[in-house]
Amino acid sequence: NAGVMQNPRHLVRRRGQEARLRCSPMKGHSHVYWYRQLPEEGLKFMVYLQKENIIDESGMPKERFSAEFPKEGPSILRIQQVVRGDSAAYFCASSPIGQDTAKNIQYFGAGTRLSVL
Amino acid sequence: LAKTTQPISMDSYEGQEVNITCSHNNIATNDYITWYQQFPSQGPRFIIQGYKTKVTNEVASLFIPADRKSSTLSLPRVSLSDTAVYYCLVGDGVGYSTLTFGKGTMLLVSP
Repeated sequence: NAGVMQNPRHLVRRRGQEARLRCSPMKGHSHVYWYRQLPEEGLKFMVYLQKENIIDESGMPKERFSAEFPKEGPSILRIQQVVRGDSAAYFCASSPIGQDTAKNIQYFGAGTRLSVL
Repeated sequence: LAKTTQPISMDSYEGQEVNITCSHNNIATNDYITWYQQFPSQGPRFIIQGYKTKVTNEVASLFIPADRKSSTLSLPRVSLSDTAVYYCLVGDGVGYSTLTFGKGTMLLVSP
């Protein structure tokens, strides 16, 4: 049973380019979360999605960032016109449908490390 | 949202028992206490979760006093591979719950 799969593991972009990060949740999971981790910092919540719906995007910057979780395929975190400050590790997590929401145990991928030159 | 406070770092030696305490004075009635472990260049990994008293699994034990204002993660006989950052999280128990990570406790295990 494969875990949460993220790709690519490392992504290098020049300022102004677009970055696309992909996340395939664990089998049977329909909830996906994206987090960002800056060096020496804890993870910061960005967005929570279910299939075809954005449930909570309160942690996502208002501009340049977007996320989707289509009916088919992986969840995508898209960063347009990247800047140096976007350099960070981006983690995706998933949780199963029907889990007690108060417990909310999430399973994380290995992350995508974005470097903006 | 209940805030947590835990030590920034701890040092230990192989074979010792390590106890990491987390304070969460404003924990709500419905909140669970959850601990994650993160190795360098990896995503966090769920270790253990509890609501009250004591929980034990194959990896760790979690002690929660009656007032639930703190909790202690206990790692028996640590090894070098237990060197990692440990995060204590408390859910807000309102509908779905996004995870709020602090800076965690950096545990360094030496030979």
